[in-house]
Amino acid sequence: DAKTTQPTSMDCAEGRAANLPCNHSTISGNEYVYWYRQIHSQGPQYIIHGLKNNETNEMASLIITEDRKSSTLILPHATLRDTAVYYCIVRVANGGFKTIFGAGTRLFVKA
Amino acid sequence: DAEITQSPRHKITETGRQVTLACHQTWNHNNMFWYRQDLGHGLRLIHYSYGVQDTNKGEVSDGYSVSRSNTEDLPLTLESAASSQTSVYFCASSDRTGPDTQYFGPGTRLTVL
Repeated sequence: DAKTTQPTSMDCAEGRAANLPCNHSTISGNEYVYWYRQIHSQGPQYIIHGLKNNETNEMASLIITEDRKSSTLILPHATLRDTAVYYCIVRVANGGFKTIFGAGTRLFVKA
Repeated sequence: DAEITQSPRHKITETGRQVTLACHQTWNHNNMFWYRQDLGHGLRLIHYSYGVQDTNKGEVSDGYSVSRSNTEDLPLTLESAASSQTSVYFCASSDRTGPDTQYFGPGTRLTVL
């Protein structure tokens, strides 16, 4: 699985968009980008995933660059409850199955 | 609704004792995983299973074992608990098909004295 690089921490004002970047320059053609988050003391929660097209669901949007070497998770209207550690993971789908988590980005949403 | 549960949620034990942590999922997922999480180390994979009778070692498997006798359960056993195994343990499951996303349980906080 490709390695990812994320900033250690970020701040965001409540109500504003939170844009969390992730670099994955060694991504392979069959690898997807997954995002999870972990709110304090809880189990990680799946947010969104994509291969090369931008994706949107009820929680967030995922923007993947054309060369697929980086991506951005967008929380359009961050709330205090979005304060969490966000993990960007690159891996094959329906293949290796196991997921290796890195250090992630600690997002602080401030009132 | 389908879910994944872990028990106990909190456990205190003594060094040298055998401890078993339970994980039960009702999604009928083929894949199940155990992670531990410590400050400064993030989530580390202990063991995983792709189906009944299948088990595989993860990156930190020493001192732990699992068995998969049915689809729903993957118990994690600490053969002889050590203080270094004090941690929060998370169980997860995923389907073999579809987007292959993992669903995590609420965690078990284990303290080994």
